[in-house]
Amino acid sequence: AQSVTQLGSHVSVSEGALVLLRCNYSSSVPPYLFWYVQYPNQGLQLLLKYTTGATLVKGINGFEAEFKKSETSFHLTKPSAHMSDAAEYFCAVGNSNSGYALNFGKGTSLLVTP
Amino acid sequence: EPEVTQTPSHQVTQMGQEVILRCVPISNHLYFYWYRQILGQKVEFLVSFYNNEISEKSEIFDDQFSVERPDGSNFTLKIRSTKLEDSAMYFCASSGQGTGELFFGEGSRLTVL
Repeated sequence: AQSVTQLGSHVSVSEGALVLLRCNYSSSVPPYLFWYVQYPNQGLQLLLKYTTGATLVKGINGFEAEFKKSETSFHLTKPSAHMSDAAEYFCAVGNSNSGYALNFGKGTSLLVTP
Repeated sequence: EPEVTQTPSHQVTQMGQEVILRCVPISNHLYFYWYRQILGQKVEFLVSFYNNEISEKSEIFDDQFSVERPDGSNFTLKIRSTKLEDSAMYFCASSGQGTGELFFGEGSRLTVL
């Protein structure tokens, strides 16, 4: 069984401030971890992923995430928020045993204020 | 850039009617998925499909749901007798061999009245 928990359904930051979106996972086998972004009325776009190897992964739009096995976490960060970062962010977990089917968290809505 | 395409973008139907949602996955992908997102809720896994058969399905994917890859390019989700609670955005996704990365379409919004 695998699942993710995203802490905070809504996060608000000022433009230029650090963005930190939290994700904790549960998986009985080595996980694949993903962050997806969803802009209004659009589909899901992959920001970044961790499968194996380097635990700090960099994605698009300046986002990065670090896989911490000891903390079962995969938090998403960006040093400086931009207005265009306002969107819904989903953390997801999968593994090779599940046909790569992903289980998503409930999402975190990021608001960026001027 | 290759993309997953879904049709229709929006469908309104009466309760009890059959609905077919269509998807064209990325051409060299081997794994196909349907997810749904009820308004304001999280994205939920419905079913995965590989090698012309269902590889995994969730509890949501009951006998009212079926999937098919009729012609080697399309991947369809059929809901036999729609219920009000089937109203949601349905996302198709596809994945290449062993990558674990899913590429999503823009979704089909289903409204059941």
